[in-house]
Amino acid sequence: AQKVTQAQTEISVVEKEDVTLDCVYETRDTTYYLFWYKQPPSGELVFLIRRNSFDEQNEISGRYSWNFQKSTSSFNFTITASQVVDSAVYFCALSGAYSGAGSYQLTFGKGTKLSVIP
Amino acid sequence: NAGVTQTPKFRILKIGQSMTLQCAQDMNHNYMYWYRQDPGMGLKLIYYSVGAGITDKGEVPNGYNVSRSTTEDFPLRLELAAPSQTSVYFCASSYATGIHGYTFGSGTRLTVV
Repeated sequence: AQKVTQAQTEISVVEKEDVTLDCVYETRDTTYYLFWYKQPPSGELVFLIRRNSFDEQNEISGRYSWNFQKSTSSFNFTITASQVVDSAVYFCALSGAYSGAGSYQLTFGKGTKLSVIP
Repeated sequence: NAGVTQTPKFRILKIGQSMTLQCAQDMNHNYMYWYRQDPGMGLKLIYYSVGAGITDKGEVPNGYNVSRSTTEDFPLRLELAAPSQTSVYFCASSYATGIHGYTFGSGTRLTVV
């Protein structure tokens, strides 16, 4: 079975601070995919990143960066110089790479609500 | 724009009523999914389909039914609405597994009173 744990339920930061959102996952698959989604107050799910299990390189996209560590089963997300527009719920998710029963659907963490205070 | 279209966006149902949430995709994706999102919780899988004519239960299927007569459409049926089904419902589709990612609809907010 797959499991995604986002231990931080809510985080508040002051604008321009850096913030890291934690994600720990469990899977028996040797090949899998990790995702981060943003859900702003409007409610839609916005795709941020997909990472496969063979690619442990960290990724940076503007103010966003992701740290994938297979040894600790973690896929953490850092926002540098946070802005009010970053206020949202962020979900980490996991899917298997093969169409074996139950492994290919996305399994979500419970989400972390980030509030950026001006 | 191509993508996943969900209708309606909002709906209020009375206990015991039935309704169908519509989901359509125009990307020729084989896989389609229905998730529900409760406050403070992540999304939980209700049903999924790997192709026309093939559906299977997810984590929380009770009280729901689905069908997949075409590649494009994957409606979710609530037969006897209950307050516990008050939630936001998301439909998603993908070519296969996580290789190509997932496309989500904009969601349906359902309230059962």
